[in-house]
Amino acid sequence: DAKTTQPTSMDCAEGRAANLPCNHSTISGNEYVYWYRQIHSQGPQYIIHGLKNNETNEMASLIITEDRKSSTLILPHATLRDTAVYYCIVRVENTGNQFYFGTGTSLTVIP
Amino acid sequence: GAVVSQHPSWVICKSGTSVKIECRSLDFQATTMFWYRQFPKQSLMLMATSNEGSKATYEQGVEKDKFLINHASLTLSTLTVTSAHPEDSSFYICSARSAGGGEQFFGPGTRLTVL
Repeated sequence: DAKTTQPTSMDCAEGRAANLPCNHSTISGNEYVYWYRQIHSQGPQYIIHGLKNNETNEMASLIITEDRKSSTLILPHATLRDTAVYYCIVRVENTGNQFYFGTGTSLTVIP
Repeated sequence: GAVVSQHPSWVICKSGTSVKIECRSLDFQATTMFWYRQFPKQSLMLMATSNEGSKATYEQGVEKDKFLINHASLTLSTLTVTSAHPEDSSFYICSARSAGGGEQFFGPGTRLTVL
């Protein structure tokens, strides 16, 4: 079962940073935080993941609080193509553990 | 990143017929593949996990005799919806994971419509 909670929807102005929060208060010490997004009628796309340190790649940044009970995905300069449902998932890496998707956050980037 | 394909991308069938959906990892060997179902305006629901060469593990509430999964090679898994009914109409998505890898790579999905 999903172990994360996210706001149902958010809006962001084009060109501005989009900050998507996720609560995972019951996360275990060996569980990573993964972020995926799903554009309408497509399969989910991997964005980023991390354990406890902040991470950055070409798509986004992931900020994890010191107690690891929450995190924020940051899209630095949102574009219209970033409109999608964003899912935050916690799981143990390098095992057969499955991904259980929550309801995600529907992000709408507004021109 | 790794590429996962699905075939067909959409299918329409009559009630009572069976439909097979293929999931392929194109540039890596997938020791584990996962099948999800997504109804309109809902999140992805995990149906089953399949490891190459062994029987699939189904999530609670998913009928294994209705949703047949075969993972005969490291690059191919198939999902067969047997005796499909209109309530099976959904978006079916597979994902694949390589040995030792944490990420799952998702296919583009297959839209099934049962008339």
